[in-house]
Amino acid sequence: DAKTTQPNSMESNEEEPVHLPCNHSTISGTDYIHWYRQLPSQGPEYVIHGLTSNVNNRMASLAIAEDRKSSTLILHRATLRDAAVYYCILRDEGSGGSQGNLIFGKGTKLSVKP
Amino acid sequence: DGGITQSPKYLFRKEGQNVTLSCEQNLNHDAMYWYRQDPGQGLRLIYYSQIVNDFQKGDIAEGYSVSREKKESFPLTVTSAQKNPTAFYLCASSITLAGVSSYNEQFFGPGTRLTVL
Repeated sequence: DAKTTQPNSMESNEEEPVHLPCNHSTISGTDYIHWYRQLPSQGPEYVIHGLTSNVNNRMASLAIAEDRKSSTLILHRATLRDAAVYYCILRDEGSGGSQGNLIFGKGTKLSVKP
Repeated sequence: DGGITQSPKYLFRKEGQNVTLSCEQNLNHDAMYWYRQDPGQGLRLIYYSQIVNDFQKGDIAEGYSVSREKKESFPLTVTSAQKNPTAFYLCASSITLAGVSSYNEQFFGPGTRLTVL
């Protein structure tokens, strides 16, 4: 799977939007962009995923650059419960076996201030 | 409720002892995974299983063993051969291993924090 680059940490104020960036310049045509987040002392949870088009769900929005070399996870109104480590992951959906596994990097630690 | 359970939440063992971590899912998922997480680090894949009676080594399988005798269960044994076993262990499952469908998220359990004294 192609690698991703994320900032180590970010801060946000409660009730404000948060834009979490992810660079993936070596992304291939069959790589989907997945975002997971991990709250303190818990297992990760799925947030959103996409291929080319921007995506919205109840948790967040995913904005994907036209060349697909970067993406941004958008939390529209941060709450204290959104404080977590956010992982941007590429997974090749075009093949089976180990190529389908998720590879978690260090992610971005988001702090939310009241 | 459907989900993944891991037990116990905290586990203490003496050095040199084998220990088995439990992972059960009632989501009817075919694929299951074990990850290890060290403080401040991302997750690293230990073993994964696509289907019952089949499993594959991940990136850091040395010192670990697994079994998949039932679809719902994927226990992980941390053996005495694992040189630094103290870590947070996470089990996950997904409908299938790879993306036959793009919507193939992994569901994670709450984790077991293993401390070897």
